[in-house]
Amino acid sequence: GESVGLHLPTLSVQEGDNSIINCAYSNSASDYFIWYKQESGKGPQFIIDIRSNMDKRQGQRVTVLLNKTVKHLSLQIAATQPGDSAVYFCADSGGSNYKLTFGKGTLLTVNP
Amino acid sequence: KAGVTQTPRYLIKTRGQQVTLSCSPISGHRSVSWYQQTPGQGLQFLFEYFSETQRNKGNFPGRFSGRQFSNSRSEMNVSTLELGDSALYLCASSDGTGNVNYGYTFGSGTRLTVV
Repeated sequence: GESVGLHLPTLSVQEGDNSIINCAYSNSASDYFIWYKQESGKGPQFIIDIRSNMDKRQGQRVTVLLNKTVKHLSLQIAATQPGDSAVYFCADSGGSNYKLTFGKGTLLTVNP
Repeated sequence: KAGVTQTPRYLIKTRGQQVTLSCSPISGHRSVSWYQQTPGQGLQFLFEYFSETQRNKGNFPGRFSGRQFSNSRSEMNVSTLELGDSALYLCASSDGTGNVNYGYTFGSGTRLTVV
């Protein structure tokens, strides 16, 4: 049946630690993936993206890894800071039908 | 460069009423997508418009509709509101051609409460 509320996976880390957030996708036709960060009261904010012809992409303090064999995506945040506390979503293009399919999200809490 | 602007930020409506939400995309972007975010279902795709044409639609009832104007601004309308329509409605703007990347940029959303 329909869930009353999403039970977000949670990740709690200490400031300065590295964080790894995982995501599984289901559509093998997906060729574009995005990680978003959403803070309370705000819309999702773009962090980093990756196309299916790559398996790794690095940004500033963030790295996305893509494993197409098992349809798995991860976001690594280096030297996590309190300002990184938010809900993180992965999204995939589902084969370029002009829409994104979002994962459930992971709540990251960074303890000072 | 201005971001994605959604108005109003908050809205309270009564069951049975209808509501119109507005989204102005980033200048130069021709694609506008709409998403509904609820605690129960997460982020769900409503529809996407490009150059005034709907290119894709999610699995929502016909009470949910949208349109896009020649200046790329978009509106979505929900008629005969139900309690379950209470949600954060998000608009995303992108180039729409996919030549570089999809680069969806979201607005801050409109928080709709149906009472």
